[in-house]
Amino acid sequence: GQNIDQPTEMTATEGAIVQINCTYQTSGFNGLFWYQQHAGEAPTFLSYNVLDGLEEKGRFSSFLSRSKGYSYLLLKELQMKDSASYLCAVQDSNYQLIWGAGTKLIIKP
Amino acid sequence: DGGITQSPKYLFRKEGQNVTLSCEQNLNHDAMYWYRQDPGQGLRLIYYSQIVNDFQKGDIAEGYSVSREKKESFPLTVTSAQKNPTAFYLCASSYTGRDHQPQHFGDGTRLSIL
Repeated sequence: GQNIDQPTEMTATEGAIVQINCTYQTSGFNGLFWYQQHAGEAPTFLSYNVLDGLEEKGRFSSFLSRSKGYSYLLLKELQMKDSASYLCAVQDSNYQLIWGAGTKLIIKP
Repeated sequence: DGGITQSPKYLFRKEGQNVTLSCEQNLNHDAMYWYRQDPGQGLRLIYYSQIVNDFQKGDIAEGYSVSREKKESFPLTVTSAQKNPTAFYLCASSYTGRDHQPQHFGDGTRLSIL
């Protein structure tokens, strides 16, 4: 079967760094996406990885290891507005997205 | 501004009633999708369409129907056969649906049972 695993909830302090992990088992792999979703709102695209390694985009970075079926999203210099759910999604061999349940990130002052 | 518009934002359904959720995009995307989001679960695909006048069932299509008569529009009907329709419904679109381009989402419709 297809499976995406993420921690349900994480807590971090404003100004700190947090790493959100995602492990996956899917039928085929055409890339991995990270999205941010504030409560009651639409998911917004953060990053895409298809090759192994780190992709950096401002305060956010995303890492992929295809051999380990593993990715993480790294958020630096955390701000209160970063409080949201972070969704990991893998694009399978049919280009369909398989979604994890999301990680709710709580930022404390 | 280009984007995806979903309406209404909130919708209430009575027993035995069909309701239709609207989704319109002006991004000139070929592919469009409908997802259902329930608490504690990942987004689940209901239907998708990669071209006008063609659509495919997703993982949870039972109790739902769609049409794709225009490139810009992909309405979803929640029929009375869907016994547990209370959820947050998200419409998305992407360039072709066969590449690595990200999906862009509308603001969602929250459907509840009266």
